[in-house]
Amino acid sequence: NAGVMQNPRHLVRRRGQEARLRCSPMKGHSHVYWYRQLPEEGLKFMVYLQKENIIDESGMPKERFSAEFPKEGPSILRIQQVVRGDSAAYFCASSPITGGGGNQPQHFGDGTRLSIL
Amino acid sequence: AQTVTQSQPEMSVQEAETVTLSCTYDTSENNYYLFWYKQPPSRQMILVIRQEAYKQQNATENRFSVNFQKAAKSFSLKISDSQLGDTAMYFCAFTNFGNEKLTFGTGTRLTIIP
Repeated sequence: NAGVMQNPRHLVRRRGQEARLRCSPMKGHSHVYWYRQLPEEGLKFMVYLQKENIIDESGMPKERFSAEFPKEGPSILRIQQVVRGDSAAYFCASSPITGGGGNQPQHFGDGTRLSIL
Repeated sequence: AQTVTQSQPEMSVQEAETVTLSCTYDTSENNYYLFWYKQPPSRQMILVIRQEAYKQQNATENRFSVNFQKAAKSFSLKISDSQLGDTAMYFCAFTNFGNEKLTFGTGTRLTIIP
């Protein structure tokens, strides 16, 4: 069974460009979560999505960041006009049903390392 | 807001020894879940163990076990017979029942010395 797939693994952008990060959840999972990990820090929640719906975006910066999880295809985290401070590892996780804990914990992808020149 | 605190930025132990990593958390909720995740140098996030707050029995997974003290809001991880492959960052995490998002601590970097 394929796990959570994130691509690209590494992404380099220049300041002002756009970054698109993709996440395909595990088969049968309909809930997707995005987290950001700055160097030498823990993961910080950004957004929680179900198919075609944003459920919780309390961790998303108000500007330049957006996320979607369309009916078909992967979830996309989009960062417009990137700045140096956006350099981080971005992790996607998925779960099959409501409940980030219990018997259905979140399964993580390998992350996308975003570097801004 | 929930917070998770890991007070040991770094630890190191000899191979085959036992090590305990500390974690405390703060919440006003009664139903929640706690986790330990491992992040090796490859930077994957690997679930090590989880605990339901309503269960008094401490969770165990092979060499990994927890000491869950609900009243003290403490959730420590014990690794027995440590192995070189245990070298990694270890993150404690919390989620409210039905809240979905995970709140992570800042991590403990564990090094197993041969």
